[in-house]
Amino acid sequence: GDSVTQMEGPVTLSEEAFLTINCTYTATGYPSLFWYVQYPGEGLQLLLKATKADDKGSNKGFEATYRKETTSFHLEKGSVQVSDSAVYFCALKPDMRFGAGTRLTVKP
Amino acid sequence: NAGVMQNPRHLVRRRGQEARLRCSPMKGHSHVYWYRQLPEEGLKFMVYLQKENIIDESGMPKERFSAEFPKEGPSILRIQQVVRGDSAAYFCASSPDYEGSLHFGNGTRLTVT
Repeated sequence: GDSVTQMEGPVTLSEEAFLTINCTYTATGYPSLFWYVQYPGEGLQLLLKATKADDKGSNKGFEATYRKETTSFHLEKGSVQVSDSAVYFCALKPDMRFGAGTRLTVKP
Repeated sequence: NAGVMQNPRHLVRRRGQEARLRCSPMKGHSHVYWYRQLPEEGLKFMVYLQKENIIDESGMPKERFSAEFPKEGPSILRIQQVVRGDSAAYFCASSPDYEGSLHFGNGTRLTVT
């Protein structure tokens, strides 16, 4: 079945550093791709999505581009803040399977 | 518009008891997903339901676990004869259709003593 493989964590960065979290997928068709974020003690929240090749999803300074040629959907942010500390999950639809999650800690 | 509501938020059961976890999807959402999350681990897919139908239960253990999403009322995840290994956070998510984004509840944290 369809699946996603996500960069292992944890990731620790200083405030204002550049962030990349890698995500690659395996799918037989043309899935929609998502990034979700989970803050401590909460459920997941949709961060951004892309539904077709070359689409770029963006939200709150985060971006990810749907790359069909490399089957990737890497999450990036140019300048992270302490408030970005959370666990980030890559996912795809229609199967709605999630990656293992990457814990990000941003230090002041 | 209320979000996805899960209850109870915390549930403690002794080994051998039954656990019933409830999920009320967002208004207008007819697709429900259940996931299990162990501490410091990712989300493991369990089951995908539409109203009155189980669409994909490939992630559900074959024994003791069942799920339903009746025409009226919340979706229920039922775990019979719980064991310590069932201790985890169980998340429900809903979407309006097959293609839509998922909206998550805050989860039920099950502890088996």
